[in-house]
Amino acid sequence: DQQVKQNSPSLSVQEGRISILNCDYTNSMFDYFLWYKKYPAEGPTFLISISSIKDKNEDGRFTVFLNKSAKHLSLHIVPSQPGDSAVYFCAASGGSGYSTLTFGKGTMLLVSP
Amino acid sequence: NAGVMQNPRHLVRRRGQEARLRCSPMKGHSHVYWYRQLPEEGLKFMVYLQKENIIDESGMPKERFSAEFPKEGPSILRIQQVVRGDSAAYFCASSPNLESSGNTIYFGEGSWLTVV
Repeated sequence: DQQVKQNSPSLSVQEGRISILNCDYTNSMFDYFLWYKKYPAEGPTFLISISSIKDKNEDGRFTVFLNKSAKHLSLHIVPSQPGDSAVYFCAASGGSGYSTLTFGKGTMLLVSP
Repeated sequence: NAGVMQNPRHLVRRRGQEARLRCSPMKGHSHVYWYRQLPEEGLKFMVYLQKENIIDESGMPKERFSAEFPKEGPSILRIQQVVRGDSAAYFCASSPNLESSGNTIYFGEGSWLTVV
């Protein structure tokens, strides 16, 4: 049973436009959410996180929104750049007292020039 | 380089051999996590360790897999009698010494195991 779901396997966006990546979760004990970016043959790189006490966190071109009632979070990238093309993983932790993460399957973002 | 260090980056083993993957956490981190990514899948949690302690091994296959994080030296993920289905990317991650949720964990570059 997948507790973190990324329902879009891929997303194509033009350079300069907004990329919106979505993530849903089922476990109401999750209280910390993260986005990681991964290039082929490399490890995941931490992008941005949000605690359940907030509904928005912004870092440069990246903004994460959290809707706890809907158990939904999204990552906005604006403006999108070709270098943003990668697989983006949503992850969540909480309820266990430590930082083990549960990941979604990822969304491959392709930003075309 | 103060990042999470994994080696080897690539490992080829014949069926039935043993695979050992090593991970040195980021400086100042004492919590280590191992994840596995099978082809076309997300990252699956395997085991969480602190120095000389296994905290959570709920994601580890029951047989052939073991992990340790000794007082001195790197964490090691050991796979005995490898089978083709063990072919995957194995990622190690580390986090600071804070026993709570809400910590960011940082990943290494991964070790790609191919079983032939």
